[in-house]
Amino acid sequence: QKEVEQNSGPLSVPEGAIASLNCTYSDRGSQSFFWYRQYSGKSPELIMSIYSNGDKEDGRFTAQLNKASQYVSLLIRDSQPSDSATYLCAVGTGGGNKLTFGTGTQLKVEL
Amino acid sequence: DTAVSQTPKYLVTQMGNDKSIKCEQNLGHDTMYWYKQDSKKFLKIMFSYNNKELIINETVPNRFSPKSPDKAHLNLHINSLELGDSAVYFCASSQDSIYTQYFGPGTRLTVL
Repeated sequence: QKEVEQNSGPLSVPEGAIASLNCTYSDRGSQSFFWYRQYSGKSPELIMSIYSNGDKEDGRFTAQLNKASQYVSLLIRDSQPSDSATYLCAVGTGGGNKLTFGTGTQLKVEL
Repeated sequence: DTAVSQTPKYLVTQMGNDKSIKCEQNLGHDTMYWYKQDSKKFLKIMFSYNNKELIINETVPNRFSPKSPDKAHLNLHINSLELGDSAVYFCASSQDSIYTQYFGPGTRLTVL
């Protein structure tokens, strides 16, 4: 079983819709959770971090964490073509010293 | 005023050569990292240094040797390059090992 799992996609949504990206992780001791966005040929850029159960909102982005289900999600409201990228879920493992990344979900927002 | 910088951006070399990639951060962070992103875009940690001390050393061939002259710099030296070393190498830094990591622009290494 992979430590951090994501559906590779591509996930296609129409402009203005809500995009929902999901991630599961295997280490129950994980304490920190991150969503990074990576455009093709660019470096990962932090979108959201979340450390406790529940929802965290920042503009059009909402991160949701459920530690009991070992599940993290990212919702993007009013999706824009500029949101088209690969979204990487990252989990702080090994006591938080190490970030383990998922393989990423490619999001395509269509006009 | 780039936060995390890497040089070179592109590196094309022959098998068997030795090469180095340099990384510098001006964020005042204590922890720096090297990641490898392969052709399938999987991002995997290689090394981590905290205040010049090695704290993470994943199962990386010993041809790879990180060096941290001070907490703002973390260089990666690769000996006897192999075809499988072709990838994008990212440097990153964070305030401490449990906090958000910020990535450099990456170095695309191509081994011919």
